[in-house]
Amino acid sequence: AQSVTQLDSQVPVFEEAPVELRCNYSSSVSVYLFWYVQYPNQGLQLLLKYLSGSTLVKGINGFEAEFNKSQTSFHLRKPSVHISDTAEYFCAVSPRGTYKYIFGTGTRLKVLA
Amino acid sequence: DTAVSQTPKYLVTQMGNDKSIKCEQNLGHDTMYWYKQDSKKFLKIMFSYNNKELIINETVPNRFSPKSPDKAHLNLHINSLELGDSAVYFCASSPGQGFQYGYTFGSGTRLTVV
Repeated sequence: AQSVTQLDSQVPVFEEAPVELRCNYSSSVSVYLFWYVQYPNQGLQLLLKYLSGSTLVKGINGFEAEFNKSQTSFHLRKPSVHISDTAEYFCAVSPRGTYKYIFGTGTRLKVLA
Repeated sequence: DTAVSQTPKYLVTQMGNDKSIKCEQNLGHDTMYWYKQDSKKFLKIMFSYNNKELIINETVPNRFSPKSPDKAHLNLHINSLELGDSAVYFCASSPGQGFQYGYTFGSGTRLTVV
């Protein structure tokens, strides 16, 4: 069985500071990896994805993530956050050959002025 | 132009009632999904249709029945609503069955059963 763990349920950070949101997964097969963002009262929006190739993936809004196979991690980073980045961030995996997403429980990023 | 639209946005109803949630996508995608997000923000897939054919049917009570009249629409009908059905239900679509494409989500339907 596969699982996704987002270790931090909430991350407060000051504006213009860097941030890292952690995601670890467990799977017996290869996976595709994703980060989604959910703004208040909205649906999820794809931030970035890792399918293959370079382990450093760049997404929208200045976010990037690095796939680390040995540590089974896919942490999300941004060098300088804005107030508008305040949202819920979800890590997800899709085991190759399946038609499923498995989502983590989300990390609430709160950017403080 | 909303890519994936759900109606209604909010739904408050009494236990035992039957209700439907509608979803439409104008992206030309082949695959559509229903997800349930509980009060702890946990997202879980319920159903997936590809070109009107059911391809994923998770362990969801029989009271939940999806219907896809065409590949642009995926509706969710719920019979005999229970308190535990209260959640936000998200519709989503993707270009194909492969998850490498990522999803486009609707803005959700907040269902409250009283």
